[in-house]
Amino acid sequence: KQEVTQIPAALSVPEGENLVLNCSFTDSAIYNLQWFRQDPGKGLTSLLLIQSSQREQTSGRLNASLDKSSGRSTLYIAASQPGDSATYLCAGVTTSGTYKYIFGTGTRLKVLA
Amino acid sequence: NAGVMQNPRHLVRRRGQEARLRCSPMKGHSHVYWYRQLPEEGLKFMVYLQKENIIDESGMPKERFSAEFPKEGPSILRIQQVVRGDSAAYFCASSPFRDDEKLFFGSGTQLSVL
Repeated sequence: KQEVTQIPAALSVPEGENLVLNCSFTDSAIYNLQWFRQDPGKGLTSLLLIQSSQREQTSGRLNASLDKSSGRSTLYIAASQPGDSATYLCAGVTTSGTYKYIFGTGTRLKVLA
Repeated sequence: NAGVMQNPRHLVRRRGQEARLRCSPMKGHSHVYWYRQLPEEGLKFMVYLQKENIIDESGMPKERFSAEFPKEGPSILRIQQVVRGDSAAYFCASSPFRDDEKLFFGSGTQLSVL
């Protein structure tokens, strides 16, 4: 059974810092991986999708990478801003079983002005 | 193109009643997923459906829960004889036919069982 761990569970940083969020899968055979953002009381917004043939994706100040050999992914946020405060969730689809995303428990990020 | 629409946004039920949660996927999306989120927890997979078919229901409790995605109309997640432990946020997500596409989420239905 796939389990996803996200470290740290919570993070508080001053504005302007670069930061790294981590995600690891017990089953490293990841097919696709997405990083999502969730604001309190809201749904999820997809930030980055790393498809089966890719190892990395970038969008603005965000960069996500996936090491398929270890089943680990990182989300890098450059020059953090208070508006980045949210919960960040990673989710992956494995090559076995049906095509469904399994989610981590999330990292709660607070960026202080 | 409207996003994934879920309704109601909030649903209050008394123990023993039925809850029906609706999800209209994005236009052109034929895959629907339901997830449940408890406070301070991640999303737990419940069921994966395509039009008129249940593809994977391995995350759904065997009793009281059912889901459908008919040829016409929204996907429905139905919870019979609700108990307090069913109180949670239920999210629906959809994706296009191609499996290399992003997953798009609705705003969720917050179910409260009194």
